[in-house]
Amino acid sequence: EPEVTQTPSHQVTQMGQEVILRCVPISNHLYFYWYRQILGQKVEFLVSFYNNEISEKSEIFDDQFSVERPDGSNFTLKIRSTKLEDSAMYFCASRVTGGESNQPQHFGDGTRLSIL
Amino acid sequence: SQKIEQNSEALNIQEGKTATLTCNYTNYSPAYLQWYRQDPGRGPVFLLLIRENEKEKRKERLKVTFDTTLKQSLFHITASQPADSATYLCALETFAGRRALTFGSGTRLQVQP
Repeated sequence: EPEVTQTPSHQVTQMGQEVILRCVPISNHLYFYWYRQILGQKVEFLVSFYNNEISEKSEIFDDQFSVERPDGSNFTLKIRSTKLEDSAMYFCASRVTGGESNQPQHFGDGTRLSIL
Repeated sequence: SQKIEQNSEALNIQEGKTATLTCNYTNYSPAYLQWYRQDPGRGPVFLLLIRENEKEKRKERLKVTFDTTLKQSLFHITASQPADSATYLCALETFAGRRALTFGSGTRLQVQP
């Protein structure tokens, strides 16, 4: 069964550095998402992306964050000038269609980001 | 403000029994309610989706009910097995605005052999 794949599985970075988290969504999916989960807390929505632009973003997704689909397969989340509180699991998800469809989102296994 | 509540305490049951997990929400008009399974260190795995106009959905040993009057969903696992031990997440999705999922905090299920 097709999967969403994320790399790296664990990223350790010094505070203030930039990180790029990578995702390969399922190939025929059109809608892409990033979520994060701070240890012991809920999964939280960051941003959704469709047709090469951001559809929606949450309050968490400030100017420090950006997303890109640089080619036909990858979907990236960039965090500039990382802070200690950015330490979390970051999950990528994709969905085949949006609108008023009942297709679920499929999640990758995440990247654990540790900011030192 | 919008709120999704799941039992924060772990649910411990014996193998073979039915596990029932609860999801309550306030100040939402969800179009869809979804249940996901999450194992430690892994991403959420989709289990079942139910629409606002559906009362019940089944898939193998899983059953979901959705009561929009009570603003509640119940998730049942019949004939539970130790392999069912995991955290189960309830997630809501609305038609308005973003199509992102809003998750509850999850209920940890432990099935004892």
